[in-house]
Amino acid sequence: DTEVTQTPKHLVMGMTNKKSLKCEQHMGHRAMYWYKQKAKKPPELMFVYSYEKLSINESVPSRFSPECPNSSLLNLHLHALQPEDSALYLCASSQTPPGGGGDIQYFGAGTRLSVL
Amino acid sequence: GQNIDQPTEMTATEGAIVQINCTYQTSGFNGLFWYQQHAGEAPTFLSYNVLDGLEEKGRFSSFLSRSKGYSYLLLKELQMKDSASYLCAVRANAGKSTFGDGTTLTVKP
Repeated sequence: DTEVTQTPKHLVMGMTNKKSLKCEQHMGHRAMYWYKQKAKKPPELMFVYSYEKLSINESVPSRFSPECPNSSLLNLHLHALQPEDSALYLCASSQTPPGGGGDIQYFGAGTRLSVL
Repeated sequence: GQNIDQPTEMTATEGAIVQINCTYQTSGFNGLFWYQQHAGEAPTFLSYNVLDGLEEKGRFSSFLSRSKGYSYLLLKELQMKDSASYLCAVRANAGKSTFGDGTTLTVKP
């Protein structure tokens, strides 16, 4: 099983809403990632959790709040987003943290977020 | 910081061979990945190089020259389903990988 599952697939929210994106993997991977991808652009790294601890935060605005409840789950809590935050949000996992020999990333299908 | 360059778009014919280049400048190079991304889908891992030379995986091969800061992805016997974006990602010593802007490949009959 090399699957990373993301829910929901699509999300429309207003600027005053609070919502959460969810990501799950059962490959025993010890690192999980959140990326933001705009149309025709590469994925931009937001956060990395290694062994359930936040190891990389790419200076992401506080309206995005990650959470790693356990080694299989990764959430991204959204609050007071702006229209420019509309994008595809991708979750990925790797066997080892970044820089380790097993850090090939497996991506989920993403959540397409629209902020109105 | 890192600087990664790939051609924006390429077109090739079904059954042909295409080479997608990636040049990079980085402090502390520690590996290069190639991913394929179909429109509206997640990136999928294709290949990984950390030492100089060629890595072959079926119809796909990837080459790395660390001294030249250069890699290429070679796709043989092109199929229509190979139409996609191909992303080069460079890993620095700090461990974090940065993606290039990607090359959109269109395969025509």
